[in-house]
This record gives sequence, structure tokens and C-alpha cells, in this order.
Amino acid sequence: DTGVSQNPRHKITKRGQNVTFRCDPISEHNRLYWYRQTLGQGPEFLTYFQNEAQLEKSRLLSDRFSAERPKGSFSTLEIQRTEQGDSAMYLCASSLGGRSFFGQGTRLTVV
Amino acid sequence: SQQGEEDPQALSIQEGENATMNCSYKTSINNLQWYRQNSGRGLVHLILIRSNEREKHSGRLRVTLDTSKKSSSLLITASRAADTASYFCATDAADSGGGADGLTFGKGTHLIIQP
Repeated sequence: DTGVSQNPRHKITKRGQNVTFRCDPISEHNRLYWYRQTLGQGPEFLTYFQNEAQLEKSRLLSDRFSAERPKGSFSTLEIQRTEQGDSAMYLCASSLGGRSFFGQGTRLTVV
Repeated sequence: SQQGEEDPQALSIQEGENATMNCSYKTSINNLQWYRQNSGRGLVHLILIRSNEREKHSGRLRVTLDTSKKSSSLLITASRAADTASYFCATDAADSGGGADGLTFGKGTHLIIQP
């Protein structure tokens, strides 16, 4: 148990629908990251928060994706108008002292 | 794009043998980390080695770092069936503004330990 919690664990949605994932980081960690992982690949960085401020966004994060961390605690990642190419594992990590701790991920399947 | 490359992509050994995985990367780094991932699960942090360190141990794990060759190795000694998983190296780039760009992962090595 890494202490980072993600919900839901699995999500199946129809193409064109919106989905939202939640991440609860380890409480004393001020840094929070979202990654996406497709089959057979390593995770790819999507976005980064320091407290409530979103400081970096990857070019992978199209305008259909939005992430928030309103109070500097939990974070949400929303995908609007989902496409089949969005099917992947979405991983959240929180960090302290250079070590990143990952949640179990949310596996999204777009049908 | 992914910075690192793990080698080999897949490795199958007998229980009790040692497993060695290698990782190469492209840019200057602050640190390099190794993670394990069981199928369909999240990543478990194994070990972090800083750019000014050359070798680090943790239990049955030994990690080396050669910044001149931009490479690292992970050795698992006396392997067990439970070590079966994918192993990833991840780098924290030196010019990433204090971790703002996140970690850059390779594609991983899939390790199978035959009982």
C-alpha cells in the first residue's frame, strides 16, 4: 500500500462521453503528478501540481483533458469527448524528496 | 517521448538465479529510480540513486549508475517467483525545474522467474 489512492480502478465508457478520475495523494506530499501508460510502454508524464498550482503540462495533454487540484490535496483528471485512443492506464503519483509514490491507477477503456 | 531504454525487453530465468537489467538514458539527471510493476497494477518504488552516487544496495537489489555512459543497472540476487514483474527505470532530468517535468520512463524489462 503506497498511500496514494485512485478512484475508480476501472472505467468503461462509450466514445464521446466525459470521464473524471480522482487521486488522493499522500497527505504531506505537496507535489502531484498524472501519467498515462499504454500497453507495453512505460508511463508518460501528463501534468504536475505543486500544491494547488498546475505548473507543467505535457503536449500529450490535449484540450480535451483538464486537471485540477483545488485545495492542494486531492486532484481530478477529466477527459471530455473521449476517444478510443484515450484507452490507457492513468496513474497518479505524489512526491517528497525526489521519490515518487504511485497509486494503483485507473484503467480506462473507451468502447 | 521516452528517454530511457531498458535492456533486455524480456528476461526469463530460473528461481534462485540472479537477474540483471540495464537502462540507458539521454540527458543529464538529478537522480534515477527503479520501479516494479505487476500486471495491471501501479508502480512500486524500489530504489533511488542520485547522480553523485555510483552504487546502492537495498536487500536483494543492487543498483549501479554510470553518468559518463548515461546508464544504470539493476541486479536482483537469488530471484524468487514473486519477483516476476515489469521493471522500469525512470529519470529526473537535471533541467526539469525541480521535478516539474515529472519522471521519464523507459519501456521496461519484463522479468519472468521460472519456479
